[in-house]
Amino acid sequence: GAVVSQHPSRVICKSGTSVKIECRSLDFQATTMFWYRQFPKQSLMLMATSNEGSKATYEQGVEKDKFLINHASLTLSTLTVTSAHPEDSSFYICSASPPLSRVETQYFGPGTRLLVL
Amino acid sequence: GENVEQHPSTLSVQEGDSAVIKCTYSDSASNYFPWYKQELGKRPQLIIDIRSNVGEKKDQRIAVTLNKTAKHFSLHITETQPEDSAVYFCAGFIADKVIFGPGTSLSVIP
Repeated sequence: GAVVSQHPSRVICKSGTSVKIECRSLDFQATTMFWYRQFPKQSLMLMATSNEGSKATYEQGVEKDKFLINHASLTLSTLTVTSAHPEDSSFYICSASPPLSRVETQYFGPGTRLLVL
Repeated sequence: GENVEQHPSTLSVQEGDSAVIKCTYSDSASNYFPWYKQELGKRPQLIIDIRSNVGEKKDQRIAVTLNKTAKHFSLHITETQPEDSAVYFCAGFIADKVIFGPGTSLSVIP
């Protein structure tokens, strides 16, 4: 099956710094990738839809200037948490859909656990 | 937009018993109904799904039933095992986006 990777798997940073998370589709090209955030004991909440070669579409309440998304190639999307604060500590998961597939066909990355001190 | 709810939020069963989780959705145009299993600290995994042209689908100990009229679908796990302990999410889809339900934490007691 299709494989999606994320890097790093976990990161600890100081408040005020920026953190970049990478999401890669390893064996297929993904024109669309999705970024989710999951707080402890809560559901996955869609943050934004990342489209290759164009601007990301952010969900209501998600600050686009704080969560920068770049989808520069068909296999890589990056999420940068700028000026991170302790409340940004969460589990960030990406997913990708192969070309010509329905949005229902999503392959999830293993997630990145971010801890902001 | 799509509103997805799950019940119960937590469920404890004895090993070997059955577990049932129900998901309700609001968008009558929905035609794809998946269930995901997420173990602690890991990615969600699709365990079973059903499309609106069938009412029930079974895969070994796992089954999903769909009631489109009432706008709900359910996950059934029979002969539960400790490794079934996890959080289960149903999902809805709207405008090419996945909307996850709030999750059900299942504990299977040995």
